[in-house]
Amino acid sequence: DTAVSQTPKYLVTQMGNDKSIKCEQNLGHDTMYWYKQDSKKFLKIMFSYNNKELIINETVPNRFSPKSPDKAHLNLHINSLELGDSAVYFCASSRRITSGISLEQYFGPGTRLTVL
Amino acid sequence: AQKVTQAQTEISVVEKEDVTLDCVYETRDTTYYLFWYKQPPSGELVFLIRRNFFDEQNEISGRYSWNFQKSTSSFNFTITASQVVDSAVYFCALSNFNKFYFGSGTKLNVKP
Repeated sequence: DTAVSQTPKYLVTQMGNDKSIKCEQNLGHDTMYWYKQDSKKFLKIMFSYNNKELIINETVPNRFSPKSPDKAHLNLHINSLELGDSAVYFCASSRRITSGISLEQYFGPGTRLTVL
Repeated sequence: AQKVTQAQTEISVVEKEDVTLDCVYETRDTTYYLFWYKQPPSGELVFLIRRNFFDEQNEISGRYSWNFQKSTSSFNFTITASQVVDSAVYFCALSNFNKFYFGSGTKLNVKP
């Protein structure tokens, strides 16, 4: 029933570890996103995939690597975690119309990552 | 430059007051969409409304109304007779070709 789901909801880990966050949508959307929200609530887009093709790749450390096995899934892998990676990570999905513009995004519940 | 500006960082009102959240956008594209999202204290991001670039009609949904004016590049959101449950961070956003921009958000505190 859930439209966009993410796992895990909370992730507490030590500096230097590698972790993954999984995202799945059942809305039939063709575009998926990863966002980072810092403590000041600023939403920063990290990546976007359309039909498994990377279309947005903002300036993020290359320790962050997205993977889209199919249109309904977009995972985020983070290597060598740092203290500054602590944040809430949101996955989202939307439909992209023929002009290349995305309609409204639907968000997952977020994953709160804490790096100790 | 293409961006979304929400100049009001935080607003506090007393219940039943009306409040307007401002959003100014900047884009060189002729085709775009505008959105508002709500993020309550529980943390989820909830889509509220989409506005197409060609549709300047105001929209009302219950206590919520939106005013889109291309002449001033603004897409403002008014809550009438605010309630404590309206307390949240509200984000304005712009979508154009292969890009999606969020404003920095306005935190609305509605006090009983």
